[in-house]
Amino acid sequence: RKEVEQDPGPFNVPEGATVAFNCTYSNSASQSFFWYRQDCRKEPKLLMSVYSSGNEDGRFTAQLNRASQYISLLIRDSKLSDSATYLCVVPEYNFNKFYFGSGTKLNVKP
Amino acid sequence: ETGVTQSPTHLIKTRGQQVTLRCSSQSGHNTVSWYQQALGQGPQFIFQYYREEENGRGNFPPRFSGLQFPNYSSELNVNALELDDSALYLCASRKLAGGLNEQFFGPGTRLTVL
Repeated sequence: RKEVEQDPGPFNVPEGATVAFNCTYSNSASQSFFWYRQDCRKEPKLLMSVYSSGNEDGRFTAQLNRASQYISLLIRDSKLSDSATYLCVVPEYNFNKFYFGSGTKLNVKP
Repeated sequence: ETGVTQSPTHLIKTRGQQVTLRCSSQSGHNTVSWYQQALGQGPQFIFQYYREEENGRGNFPPRFSGLQFPNYSSELNVNALELDDSALYLCASRKLAGGLNEQFFGPGTRLTVL
């Protein structure tokens, strides 16, 4: 089983839509989690960190379900500029290794 | 911008050659990680350096090696290049301290092996 699994998508949504991505992880000892966004042929950029049950930043909400070992990312009122690949990252408990999912591609259409 | 820089931007090598990639970490950051990202895939963790020592390694063979210098900059060396080594190589820096452990990435080096 992979350390981190994501639905590759693509998710094709209209502007203004709400979209949610899930990410499952296998290591129950992991304590904190990250969402990054990556634009085509660019480096990943940190979007949100999740340390407890969840985190909210404007239109973006990340939630953590430790019992089921998944993290979700919710984007409300999608903008064209939200089109990107969203990467879920799960560190080992001691932060000596980081596992990335393969990414979920989002296309926001006018 | 994150303040993490990498060089070179692009590189073309042939099978069997050796390559060295460089990374300068963000000011105040003391930990550097290296990743390999193949087209259409997520970044794969190669290794991590803290205080000039490797303190974490992913599933990469020994021909992938690295260094960290006293100013926290880092190198990734790959020997005996194979075609499958063609990828975007990313470095990320962070501050190893109680708290956030958030990594910030450089723009990457795109390596093509012919």
